[in-house]
Amino acid sequence: EDQVTQSPEALRLQEGESSSLNCSYTVSGLRGLFWYRQDPGKGPEFLFTLYSAGEEKEKERLKATLTKKESFLHITAPKPEDSATYLCAVHPPPGGGKLIFGQGTTLQVKP
Amino acid sequence: DAGVIQSPRHEVTEMGQEVTLRCKPISGHDYLFWYRQTMMRGLELLIYFNNNVPIDDSGMPEDRFSAKMPNASFSTLKIQPSEPRDSAVYFCASSLWMNTEAFFGQGTRLTVV
Repeated sequence: EDQVTQSPEALRLQEGESSSLNCSYTVSGLRGLFWYRQDPGKGPEFLFTLYSAGEEKEKERLKATLTKKESFLHITAPKPEDSATYLCAVHPPPGGGKLIFGQGTTLQVKP
Repeated sequence: DAGVIQSPRHEVTEMGQEVTLRCKPISGHDYLFWYRQTMMRGLELLIYFNNNVPIDDSGMPEDRFSAKMPNASFSTLKIQPSEPRDSAVYFCASSLWMNTEAFFGQGTRLTVV
């Protein structure tokens, strides 16, 4: 069964304290891995798409990387406004648009 | 584009009543998705459409749930009759092509009492 597992479930950081979130998947023949950010009371907001192992994407303090079995979302020198739930999702084969989401990591950055 | 637009934002209804959720996808997007989010189960795909045609409805929990997409700019998710366990946040999302990122609406928070 296709599965996406995110860890940790929750993470508390001090402002400026860098860390990484993990997303591991058991999908074979991955067609794409996506990172989203979700703020309370809002819909998920798209951050990154990764398609192949070794690929990296960056946006401000966030950097996403992909291997054959997992993806990491690295947060460098986070600020309180980075506090949110970060969701990982994958497109399993045979494709067709279906996204499977992990349970998310809730990040809290304290000033 | 204003993004994916959902209505209503909040809905409170009594058990047994019919509920209709509405969605306007981003113009030009070929795929439309309906998701449900709960604390226990996270984000679950209910159904998705490609060019207004339902492709996969295996996530629809029961026959009480139905979804339509009469044209490229409008979709509905209907629950009839509603039950308390249907209480959740329902999201609509759209994407340009297969295997590309999906953009989500703000969601409809449904409470069935």
